Amino acid sequence: NAGVTQTPKFQVLKTGQSMTLQCAQDMNHEYMSWYRQDPGMGLRLIHYSVGAGITDQGEVPNGYNVSRSTTEDFPLRLLSAAPSQTSVYFCASSTLGGKSPDTQYFGPGTRLTVL
Amino acid sequence: AQRVTQPEKLLSVFKGAPVELKCNYSYSGSPELFWYVQYSRQRLQLLLRHISRESIKGFTADLNKGETSFHLKKPFAQEEDSAMYYCALKWGSNYKLTFGKGTLLTVNP
Repeated sequence: NAGVTQTPKFQVLKTGQSMTLQCAQDMNHEYMSWYRQDPGMGLRLIHYSVGAGITDQGEVPNGYNVSRSTTEDFPLRLLSAAPSQTSVYFCASSTLGGKSPDTQYFGPGTRLTVL
Repeated sequence: AQRVTQPEKLLSVFKGAPVELKCNYSYSGSPELFWYVQYSRQRLQLLLRHISRESIKGFTADLNKGETSFHLKKPFAQEEDSAMYYCALKWGSNYKLTFGKGTLLTVNP
């Protein structure tokens, strides 16, 4: 299993540009989520999904969109990038039941810089 | 509103010394708490969860509802324990995690 994969690893955008951060998992996990990690702020939940076709907002959803058309994929879209969105973005997945429902598996992260 | 507080941004100890990373939480419901760890150049990964009452890599953490704390402890720190540690609170009817701001632990030789 590849686990949770994220692309790209690094990205530089100009203010106002849009882009999509990709996240995929091959563990058949129902739950997927996006976090941003900023110095001194820890990780903050942006959006999450409990299954295909179901998404909801986390703590800091403004400026981001998500969709979940398949169990495997959970892309994060930046609609109009702003310097405040410069951050490291992590995708995570987990089951919602079964043997280890509470273990979230994280991707390697995408480091985004908005100029 | 739910909140997780890790009062120490940085913690430095010597190898073989005891270490305690503090975590306090605020939540009106029944808490489920976790410790996640991020070693240098590695992914964030689960270290402990309170419902398991387990010891991983010599670390333990006990949920104290009276003091609303979930401190992480290890009696003898090792250099390989150097990492960023995050305390996290699961809340809500769906799976949401609120993380603390993290504590960077450095274990000196």
